[in-house]
Amino acid sequence: SQQGEEDPQALSIQEGENATMNCSYKTSINNLQWYRQNSGRGLVHLILIRSNEREKHSGRLRVTLDTSKKSSSLLITASRAADTASYFCARQVNSGGSNYKLTFGKGTLLTVNP
Amino acid sequence: DVKVTQSSRYLVKRTGEKVFLECVQDMDHENMFWYRQDPGLGLRLIYFSYDVKMKEKGDIPEGYSVSREKKERFSLILESASTNQTSMYLCASSLWERGYTFGSGTRLTVV
Repeated sequence: SQQGEEDPQALSIQEGENATMNCSYKTSINNLQWYRQNSGRGLVHLILIRSNEREKHSGRLRVTLDTSKKSSSLLITASRAADTASYFCARQVNSGGSNYKLTFGKGTLLTVNP
Repeated sequence: DVKVTQSSRYLVKRTGEKVFLECVQDMDHENMFWYRQDPGLGLRLIYFSYDVKMKEKGDIPEGYSVSREKKERFSLILESASTNQTSMYLCASSLWERGYTFGSGTRLTVV
């Protein structure tokens, strides 16, 4: 599969704890993106990390990228009940005219218990 | 903020009907996409378009077609709806090499 694959499939934590989700992929990427989806709704873009970057931060989110291992991680610090959602990684492959196409993984379902 | 609007939140259609799903974005994005999302299968790309009147097949184009007559509008057409096309359909738009903005989705049920 050329999809990004998230790990774990499901994660349940207590409010205030940190949540870490991982993503692996198989081919070279142009960039890797993380999205959140609340139940039954559309996806919301969280963060984009380019292949020449190793780490990015956005508020309570921290994303790392290791291109040698073809993996990325999303860390949510000090989680809140409102962070309960599915999280997807998506990789953009530089393939000429189609280099803006994203391939999504199957997601990690994060549950943050109050 | 850019907004992507899908015309219907829920839709119920009969087998064999021709179905139109409409998507409109308001920020002049070049690229537009249609995905379907199914439990256990994640998001799968049906079709995408990087310019008016241009379209490219995604990973699962069979049974679908698209139309992009204006930059802001991208329509997904189910030529003859079948029960295996019951799904959540998500439209998205983007600028080159940027994050996507998704619509709220259309949950289509084919009976």
